[in-house]
Amino acid sequence: EPEVTQTPSHQVTQMGQEVILRCVPISNHLYFYWYRQILGQKVEFLVSFYNNEISEKSEIFDDQFSVERPDGSNFTLKIRSTKLEDSAMYFCASSIGTGSEQFFGPGTRLTVL
Amino acid sequence: EDQVTQSPEALRLQEGESSSLNCSYTVSGLRGLFWYRQDPGKGPEFLFTLYSAGEEKEKERLKATLTKKESFLHITAPKPEDSATYLCAVQGGYSGAGSYQLTFGKGTKLSVIP
Repeated sequence: EPEVTQTPSHQVTQMGQEVILRCVPISNHLYFYWYRQILGQKVEFLVSFYNNEISEKSEIFDDQFSVERPDGSNFTLKIRSTKLEDSAMYFCASSIGTGSEQFFGPGTRLTVL
Repeated sequence: EDQVTQSPEALRLQEGESSSLNCSYTVSGLRGLFWYRQDPGKGPEFLFTLYSAGEEKEKERLKATLTKKESFLHITAPKPEDSATYLCAVQGGYSGAGSYQLTFGKGTKLSVIP
């Protein structure tokens, strides 16, 4: 069964460093998303991506964040200068259409020291 | 702004003891209501999509229903392996934030005791 994959599973970084989180969405899906979940809190939307551009972003997704689809399979989230409060689980998701179910990856746990 | 409230926050059931989880929502133009299961340290696992009031979906011991203001996830004769956090999310069509994002509730943590 097709699934969303994410790497790495755990990333530890120093405050101020850049990190890139990687995702491989389900192959025939057209819409891609990033969400985050701070420990003990709800899952929060960051950004959606379609046709090689951002279609929607939340207030959390400020200038420190960027997304890219560098090739036909990968989808990345870059945080330019990490802060302590960026520590969270980051989930990538994909869907075949805008109103259809979004399938989530296993997540990357980001720890900022 | 879309809002989702789930209750109870936590629920302990004996194996075989049926119950229901509640999801109340406020959304401008519901495009879909989604139920997910989340195990500790894992990503949300898709369960159901409901699109209009009166719709019902079933899968094994789970049944999801939808009204204009809330959704219920009914669990019939649960087993210990049903223990997880169940998340409800909505996708709105006319909110200022757009129509792509899912807005999640905090979830209901279900524990099924053998």
